[in-house]
Amino acid sequence: AQSVSQHNHHVILSEAASLELGCNYSYGGTVNLFWYVQYPGQHLQLLLKYFSGDPLVKGIKGFEAEFIKSKFSFNLRKPSVQWSDTAEYFCAVNWPPSGGYNKLIFGAGTRLAVHP
Amino acid sequence: DVKVTQSSRYLVKRTGEKVFLECVQDMDHENMFWYRQDPGLGLRLIYFSYDVKMKEKGDIPEGYSVSREKKERFSLILESASTNQTSMYLCATTTSTDTQYFGPGTRLTVL
Repeated sequence: AQSVSQHNHHVILSEAASLELGCNYSYGGTVNLFWYVQYPGQHLQLLLKYFSGDPLVKGIKGFEAEFIKSKFSFNLRKPSVQWSDTAEYFCAVNWPPSGGYNKLIFGAGTRLAVHP
Repeated sequence: DVKVTQSSRYLVKRTGEKVFLECVQDMDHENMFWYRQDPGLGLRLIYFSYDVKMKEKGDIPEGYSVSREKKERFSLILESASTNQTSMYLCATTTSTDTQYFGPGTRLTVL
């Protein structure tokens, strides 16, 4: 069955530290890849996405992610985190055509706490 | 901007009650989804709909049903609420090729 794994459930960092959150998916073929973020009390919102092309994708708020097809991975990175990055981060994968319905499989999420 | 609204932010119900959660989108998207979000489990798909009156089961449909009578509106129904359905419920909408856009969520507590 299709699945998505996020390696870290909780991450605690100090401001200005670098961040890398791991995401792996179960098997290959064509995939669309997403990172969503949920700030405390807010909607789930899209950070970045990969559909095709350059495997290094840049998103909002200084985040980027790299798609490594051979490793079935799509890790999220940020060189220097801020207190305002405290949130829960979800990796999600779509295996098109999946009936054309654009279904997503989500990882379990990673809670990031950034201390000033 | 895509707007997805959900009928309530917080809801408290008693065991055995019938519960309706409603989601409305303003972007004419054909696909709509209901998820539940639980700590450590991420988002799990309950049901989705790809057109009016069309629906498909997701990964955890037991104890739930859905209704889509109009394109912009997708309802999740708990026929007889149970305590293990206490959760955050998220609605999402998308086209067949685009990103999913999420509503603010409904935190349901079943006592």
